[in-house]
Amino acid sequence: QSVLTQPPSASGTPGQRVTISCSGSSSNIGSNTVNWYQQLPGTAPKLLIYSNNQRPSGVPDRFSGSKSGTSASLAISGLQSEDEAHYYCAAWEDSLNGYVFGTGTKVTVL
Amino acid sequence: QITLKESGPTLVKPTQTLTLTCTFSGFSFSTTGVTVGWIRQPPGKALEWLALIYWDDDKRYSPSLKSRLTITKDTSKNQVVLTMTNMDPVDTATYYCARRGDGSGFQYWGQGTLVTVSS
Repeated sequence: QSVLTQPPSASGTPGQRVTISCSGSSSNIGSNTVNWYQQLPGTAPKLLIYSNNQRPSGVPDRFSGSKSGTSASLAISGLQSEDEAHYYCAAWEDSLNGYVFGTGTKVTVL
Repeated sequence: QITLKESGPTLVKPTQTLTLTCTFSGFSFSTTGVTVGWIRQPPGKALEWLALIYWDDDKRYSPSLKSRLTITKDTSKNQVVLTMTNMDPVDTATYYCARRGDGSGFQYWGQGTLVTVSS
């Protein structure tokens, strides 16, 4: 059972802005940076956001991350059909001395 | 160019030990800061972190699986090996190896290998 909670699903029409939340605690998000991953169907995860709000080279600026206290968010602006995927937040968990993934959110483009 | 590839059995029997090898190129454990981990994903379920190994041979394990896991590296062969003992059908999953990049995120991933546990 993950210590990082995400909504199971989110959706939007092309061009809309979609936001995904990730709720944690003081021992994970509250004291460590957050990463976000995108997993397209049948493929390995891809790092989308690291250190709360940084994008690796090649990730479109439509994707943005933020963190406040013990929660984090991923925003997708100008939603496109190719954004239909599962999205996972992740962070280091001090109490476990390990890395934890969120429960995952399936984004559907209507 | 950084690449990683997992290899190992696709089918194991309950109680057997699983050994997976991650063979990589484009980086070396001789470089300070290099960290490689294993992550798994049961069919239709979320990602689960399993283990990490650092360039200095420090290691971290998922507490829930620590008693069953061993992670090692072979710097000369550019490989990371994960062993998991006492396999059970619930361990059926796609197993990924990945290298940390900037921050704490896993930036480089292998394609994954599906391991099925069944008698």
